[in-house]
Amino acid sequence: DTAVSQTPKYLVTQMGNDKSIKCEQNLGHDTMYWYKQDSKKFLKIMFSYNNKELIINETVPNRFSPKSPDKAHLNLHINSLELGDSAVYFCASSADRASGNTIYFGEGSWLTVV
Amino acid sequence: DQQVKQNSPSLSVQEGRISILNCDYTNSMFDYFLWYKKYPAEGPTFLISISSIKDKNEDGRFTVFLNKSAKHLSLHIVPSQPGDSAVYFCAASIYGGSQGNLIFGKGTKLSVKP
Repeated sequence: DTAVSQTPKYLVTQMGNDKSIKCEQNLGHDTMYWYKQDSKKFLKIMFSYNNKELIINETVPNRFSPKSPDKAHLNLHINSLELGDSAVYFCASSADRASGNTIYFGEGSWLTVV
Repeated sequence: DQQVKQNSPSLSVQEGRISILNCDYTNSMFDYFLWYKKYPAEGPTFLISISSIKDKNEDGRFTVFLNKSAKHLSLHIVPSQPGDSAVYFCAASIYGGSQGNLIFGKGTKLSVKP
């Protein structure tokens, strides 16, 4: 059983398209995140949700919109995809905000925009 | 502005010897530090952490040392095994601050040769 699972693992799409990456965690965690690893290998936080409420929204274009239907899911929608959006996107979760520093990551979604 | 720096992009060690991975940080507000291990095509996996109130934390073959005055931490793996070959990310956060906002270094690729 994968604790944090995200789909699809690989996605190749054209510029201008809209796509979604889904994430689910079965750890019973209250907090979920989206991280992005860019071409320079930097791993940076994009969003953080606690019990379906947005906590952190780093400087991310508003073409990226997270949706949390329940605390076990945090999906990432990306509109009007651009070449620079090509990256690996990692979903993650942690037990709660107080101990949110030990974060468990999914396997990543490799997005390539052509 | 890199707040967490891993200046060695790669490290090669013989099996059975000690591996030492280094990490420097600039933000004196950081008070919690973590190491993550990442295999190709997988998400980062939590390895070990240390709070700023300690200077050493040990877990089996893995030991993390923290030198607050130098703003430096290191991960020691002894004895190193071929299965330890992976990319190791150092991360830091402000506990109780922006929970989940881990600041990652760029990673060090460790190769353990049989």
